[in-house]
Amino acid sequence: QVQLHESGPGLVKPSGTLSLTCGVSGDSISSNNWWSWVRQSPGKGLEWIGEVNHGGTTNYSPSLKSRVTISVDKSQNQFSLKVTSVTAADTAVYYCVRGSLGGFLDHWGQGTLVIVSS
Amino acid sequence: DIQMTQSPATLSASVGDRVTITCRASQTISSWLAWYQQKPGKAPKLLIYKASSLESGVPSRFSGSGSGTEFTLTISSLQPDDFATYYCQQYDTYKTFGQGTKVEIK
Repeated sequence: QVQLHESGPGLVKPSGTLSLTCGVSGDSISSNNWWSWVRQSPGKGLEWIGEVNHGGTTNYSPSLKSRVTISVDKSQNQFSLKVTSVTAADTAVYYCVRGSLGGFLDHWGQGTLVIVSS
Repeated sequence: DIQMTQSPATLSASVGDRVTITCRASQTISSWLAWYQQKPGKAPKLLIYKASSLESGVPSRFSGSGSGTEFTLTISSLQPDDFATYYCQQYDTYKTFGQGTKVEIK
């Protein structure tokens, strides 16, 4: 079955860069799916960050576009997220998610908590 | 940006109740709408896609309807496992989530 697993530092300093990687098993990153990042601040709702396809084409949330980069590594069957100039407002659980060809999000990673603090 | 507005924010109900959650889009999204269930400390789970298509393995007591800008998620007979937070999400233009509806025990 399709499984996704987030990895990366759980603590990032303010003004620094948040970097996460999502390893995919049970599906090829080169398939006709989109690969998304979604975050959830403590006690809050879900926020879509952006997505990438196997060709490297990206779409980003307009509210985060200036600080976000999502990329794909086909050789490792994984994709990555970078968020620059982080503040406490970027503290959240970050999920990597498979987006079906249709656009809905059908397989989610377990999520990883990233805290922005000095 | 397409904004998604869910109502109510919180819903108190009893086991066996019929429950309806509404989601409104700020502009038409055809049927490009999904519903998710999230339990505390867990990742969201896909329930419904394309407004009314039931994801494989999801109980038939869940159903979705609507198109354009108005959508509903209905649980026909609430079960103990259904107490959770529910989110709608549009995927017509990029992706946007509603703010969530918490279904709690009455």
